[in-house]
Amino acid sequence: ETGVTQSPTHLIKTRGQQVTLRCSSQSGHNTVSWYQQALGQGPQFIFQYYREEENGRGNFPPRFSGLQFPNYSSELNVNALELDDSALYLCASSFPGQTYEQYFGPGTRLTVT
Amino acid sequence: GDSVTQMEGPVTLSEEAFLTINCTYTATGYPSLFWYVQYPGEGLQLLLKATKADDKGSNKGFEATYRKETTSFHLEKGSVQVSDSAVYFCALSDRDSSASKIIFGSGTRLSIRP
Repeated sequence: ETGVTQSPTHLIKTRGQQVTLRCSSQSGHNTVSWYQQALGQGPQFIFQYYREEENGRGNFPPRFSGLQFPNYSSELNVNALELDDSALYLCASSFPGQTYEQYFGPGTRLTVT
Repeated sequence: GDSVTQMEGPVTLSEEAFLTINCTYTATGYPSLFWYVQYPGEGLQLLLKATKADDKGSNKGFEATYRKETTSFHLEKGSVQVSDSAVYFCALSDRDSSASKIIFGSGTRLSIRP
């Protein structure tokens, strides 16, 4: 069974640029959630996708957006990058009807300079 | 809203010492409770879970009991090893929500001395 995978591992961007992060769900999982983990803090919920629709959102501005594809893989897009967007971005997937239990990928480390 | 409060770190122990990391929660519903572990440079791994009151989650020698009366889910291990050095996150999720998110504590960094 393949776990949650994310790409790229590391990324460096300049303030004002746009970035796309990718996630492949664990086999059998149809729900994907994204989290932002700033240095020294716990992860914060960004949003969740189910059946290619956003299904819940945390306290993040609209410049954070996402997509889910028919194969349940997902993208996180961030526009107009700010220095405070520097963080570890984690993707998590879950079984149908069990979104309360999520399995995390290794994360993408984004640095904004 | 729902929240998790956990013991601040860092916590430094000698190998084979007894470990307790305190965690309390606030929730309006009936949450599932989790402990996640994050090793240096890695993502989050689910360490153990409990889905209802009085359940005990256990894994790799770690244990935590879901105490509804004290709204707590303290992590314990009888004899820690150097390989247990990591950051530990207590977390909860609302089982009754159709769009469950995981709410995390701020993390406790654990360092074990040989």
